[in-house]
Parts: sequence; structure tokens; C-alpha cells
Amino acid sequence: GAGVSQTPSNKVTEKGKYVELRCDPISGHTALYWYRQSLGQGPEFLIYFQGTGAADDSGLPNDRFFAVRPEGSVSTLKIQRTERGDSAVYLCASSLSSPLTDTQYFGPGTRLTVL
Amino acid sequence: GEDVEQSLFLSVREGDSSVINCTYTDSSSTYLYWYKQEPGAGLQLLTYIFSNMDMKQDQRLTVLLNKKDKHLSLRIADTQTGDSAIYFCAERGSGAGSYQLTFGKGTKLSVIP
Repeated sequence: GAGVSQTPSNKVTEKGKYVELRCDPISGHTALYWYRQSLGQGPEFLIYFQGTGAADDSGLPNDRFFAVRPEGSVSTLKIQRTERGDSAVYLCASSLSSPLTDTQYFGPGTRLTVL
Repeated sequence: GEDVEQSLFLSVREGDSSVINCTYTDSSSTYLYWYKQEPGAGLQLLTYIFSNMDMKQDQRLTVLLNKKDKHLSLRIADTQTGDSAIYFCAERGSGAGSYQLTFGKGTKLSVIP
């Protein structure tokens, strides 16, 4: 089947605007993760969902960031009042069930540029 | 907290073997991963190794794990120009938060024809 998909692939916005980034995980994967990759860095964990609930959101940098997964499949990462420092590639990953053993498969990412 | 370190650059000639090294600090790491990232693309899982293994081979890829020294390496045999990419080492711990992967900054592999 298809892999993890993310839309849009690129998003350019102005400072202070609101953005939504979408992730469609691999069918049947109950675990979903968001990571952020800044230029020249490795991905950094943001949030993890098991089903519909956020099991760990300790990586979200501040309260301008929020993510939802209302039906346990598609997830949306929401960023309010964007700042230039939010510019990065936002990666989504999914895994089968147990995050402790199942491999995370990544999508192509959304490149966010805040002007 | 956990930390994963990698050298930033590696350059090899086509046909030679490449060895990419990684060190990590979390002694409770359960799984260690190698991901490949090509320009403008997401992360592609290459291989992984469980912490109770010393070696894993998968076609041209060989992973070596020295758990005592917390050192992981990825060897690519007969390196091709298509192997040019950034390679990320990542580890997963066993305690709370073990669903998080901690990544290194990546090693950029350049293959010279």
C-alpha cells in the first residue's frame, strides 16, 4: 500500500499567520508521530498519538503548536502566530501498534517557510 | 538527556566501501536505526538492529553494534553514486518516552565517480 503522505509539500506563510499541516499515515498504523527537522539538524520529536489521543506532547516547543487526530487516522499539526524560527521541515511518521517495537516509517515532509 | 553523535561528512570513491559511525549515550537503548535522506525527500528506513545483537547484514549493508562502547556503524559495500545522501543514526530507549527516536545530525555521504 501507499506510504505516509503529507500535504502540502511546501508552505510559505507570513509571520503571524496560522498554518495547518496534514499527515495521512499508512493504513492500519495506529501510532503516529510528528518530528521537526531544522536546517542541518536531525529530526526532533514533537508529539506522539496512539489512536485518537496524544500520548506524549512533550516535544511541542510552546502553546502555539497543537496537533489533533480526531478519527485515529489523519492528523493535523496546527501552528498559530507563526514565527520565522518555525521555519523547518515537519515530518510525520507512523508505526503499526506498539511504539516500543514497531519501526517508524516517515513521510516526505512539509517544508514550512515563514517570511 | 540522550545524545547521538555522528561525523558530518564522508567522501568515498565509487566502488569503495563506506563506513559511517555513530555514538550514543543512552545505555538503555533498545533499537538503533539507520535512515537515509536524499535531497528534498523524507527519511527512508535502511536497516535497524536490536540492542542484543552485534551485527546485522542486509545485502550491501552491514551494521555493527558495540554496546559496551555505545558505538554503531553502517558499512555500505561497493558504494554507488546513488548512495549519495545524508545518513541518520537514531536510537530508541527502553524507558518512558521510548517511543521517541533521538537522531544524530546526519552524515553527508558524497560518492565520487
